[in-house]
Parts: sequence; structure tokens; C-alpha cells
Amino acid sequence: SAVISQKPSRDICQRGTSLTIQCQVDSQVTMMFWYRQQPGQSLTLIATANQGSEATYESGFVIDKFPISRPNLTFSTLTVSNMSPEDSSIYLCSFGLQPPTQYFGPGTRLTVL
Amino acid sequence: QKEVEQNSGPLSVPEGAIASLNCTYSDRGSQSFFWYRQYSGKSPELIMFIYSNGDKEDGRFTAQLNKASQYVSLLIRDSQPSDSATYLCAVNWGGNTPLVFGKGTRLSVIA
Repeated sequence: SAVISQKPSRDICQRGTSLTIQCQVDSQVTMMFWYRQQPGQSLTLIATANQGSEATYESGFVIDKFPISRPNLTFSTLTVSNMSPEDSSIYLCSFGLQPPTQYFGPGTRLTVL
Repeated sequence: QKEVEQNSGPLSVPEGAIASLNCTYSDRGSQSFFWYRQYSGKSPELIMFIYSNGDKEDGRFTAQLNKASQYVSLLIRDSQPSDSATYLCAVNWGGNTPLVFGKGTRLSVIA
């Protein structure tokens, strides 16, 4: 399987600021996904990011709050904008490979004060 | 609404026993089914995936799928304390479509 990395691994941020999370895969992948895992909860899909097109957001998530870039087939960023304590979560990127399955990055643990 | 249901547990089993984890899903269009293991503070790790009805074995793990009953399970044989984790069931609609996750079952293997 491919290797996926995320930066930063964790951060503590102040209310009202923004944080950009980077996700890097060591091989070219078509589909990348961003998920959020709130404390004690399961994973919820934020958006799907395809290279060369705008990200597709799930209900409850909007581009102004979670802008995503996908400049090439190995890299994506997710920005958490105008943060509030409710945004404190683990943010995970994932990608799909053949046979169709998905692997996750190590995650970014965000705490908003 | 596409839903995946799991018993939250905790499920406690003695070391060496078989742990049985269950999952149901609401959408009959679901094509692929996944089991992930998540240790506290870590990201989910893929254990197994299954697409066809029946059993699929990989080492100590067996995934079972029954599409008619919309039911998928994971059996862990010879459970070890290192198997203690949260097990997440996930489904998607084939290919590289996004995953919908259950809330997870916490497994505790007692030495």
C-alpha cells in the first residue's frame, strides 16, 4: 500500500484563527477524502477532493469554512477557517487504491481554545 | 439516510476466545464493506474488506457478509490483549466512493 502523511500531527489554536492541514501520498491517487472525528465519535466525511476539480462537500460542511485544494495527484490541503472550540477534532485524509479500499493518514489532532 | 449501526460495547472477551463484532447497514445499494481497527489516539487501520456474500478469512480474522440480511460481522479468533481497540465498520457504494462509518465497537481482551 502507499504511504500517506499529514502535517501538522497536532496543533493548539486560538479561536478565530485558521489552520491548514497538508496531506501527502507517495503515489498518484485519483480520489482523496477528508474526514473529521470529533471526540468520542466516529468518522464523518467532510468532502471528496479530485485533482483538477472543486471539492464536493457533504451536508453540513461548506467551502468557506473548510476550503480544500488538490493541486496534483499526490497532495491536498484542508483549511479549517475561523475556528471555534467546536472544531476541536481529529482531521484525517484518506485515499483509495485498487482493489477499491481506503487507507488513512495518521491524522491531525486539533484543539481550539 | 445511509446508516451503519454497531453495538458500542464495550465487548469484553478473555484472552484466547473468539470475539464477534456485528454491523448492520441500511442501504441495499452498498457494495463494499470494511473493518477498521482504531487504537486510542491513532488513525483507523484497515483490517479487512469484503464484497461478496459469505466468509473471507485472513489470519485470525474472518469477515462475514450477508447482503440479504444487510449484515456484516468480524470474528477474531484467539483474541489477544493487543486486539483491544475500537473496531469500525464502514460501507461504500463501490469503487473509490466515500466511506460511511458506524460508531464503532470497543473491544477489550482480558488477559
